[in-house]
Amino acid sequence: AQKVTQAQTEISVVEKEDVTLDCVYETRDTTYYLFWYKQPPSGELVFLIRRNSFDEQNEISGRYSWNFQKSTSSFNFTITASQVVDSAVYFCALSEVRDSSYKLIFGSGTRLLVRP
Amino acid sequence: NAGVTQTPKFRVLKTGQSMTLLCAQDMNHEYMYWYRQDPGMGLRLIHYSVGEGTTAKGEVPDGYNVSRLKKQNFLLGLESAAPSQTSVYFCASSYSRYRNSNQPQHFGDGTRLSIL
Repeated sequence: AQKVTQAQTEISVVEKEDVTLDCVYETRDTTYYLFWYKQPPSGELVFLIRRNSFDEQNEISGRYSWNFQKSTSSFNFTITASQVVDSAVYFCALSEVRDSSYKLIFGSGTRLLVRP
Repeated sequence: NAGVTQTPKFRVLKTGQSMTLLCAQDMNHEYMYWYRQDPGMGLRLIHYSVGEGTTAKGEVPDGYNVSRLKKQNFLLGLESAAPSQTSVYFCASSYSRYRNSNQPQHFGDGTRLSIL
C-alpha cells in the first residue's frame, strides 16, 4: 500500500541552525514521484521540489537540499542556516505513475518553528 | 494569471445544510482534485477528475459529490453537511501525465468550512 510517514510532528530550532525533516515512503511501484510542499501560516501550499524514482541525485537549491535514498525509502529535506520565514508546516507526498492520474498521498506534515 | 481559484474562502453551515464549493483553474489542466486537510492528518484525497465529464473516488469520498461539466471547473458538493466535515478543503489541478509527466499539482488557497 502507498504510505508516507513523517515521524516528526513538530521541530523547534533557533535561527541559523540546520534542520532536517524526515520522510519515509512505501510503494509497490518502481516508478513514482516524490514531492515536498510548504504550508506557511497563511495556509497556501507551496510546491518545493519533485523527484522521480529513477533520479537519486541529491539536489540543492539555495539553503534547501534534498537527500533521496531508494535503499531506505527516504526523501529527507534539509534547511541550512534556518530563518524565521522558514516557519511552516512541511509536507512530503508520493505519486505513483502507473495510476491514470497524479493523485498525491501526503504525509501528516512536520511543523517547523524557527525562533529568532 | 489567477491559477487555481476556490470559492468561497470561508463558510459556516448548520448540520444538514447543503452547499457547493467551486474550483476554477485557468491553466488548461486536464486533471483536478479535491482534498481535505484535518489537524495531524495531512491532506487526503476526496475525489478527482482526469477530464471533463469524468470523476473518480479518492481516499475519503463518503458524504461528498463532485461534477466536472467544464474543463476549467470542478465542483465539490455536500448534500447534508455533518460536523465531521469541518475541515479545510483544497482544490488542485495538473496537466495530464500524457502531456507532461513531470508537472506538479497546483493548489488553490483553500476553503475553511465549519459545520455546527
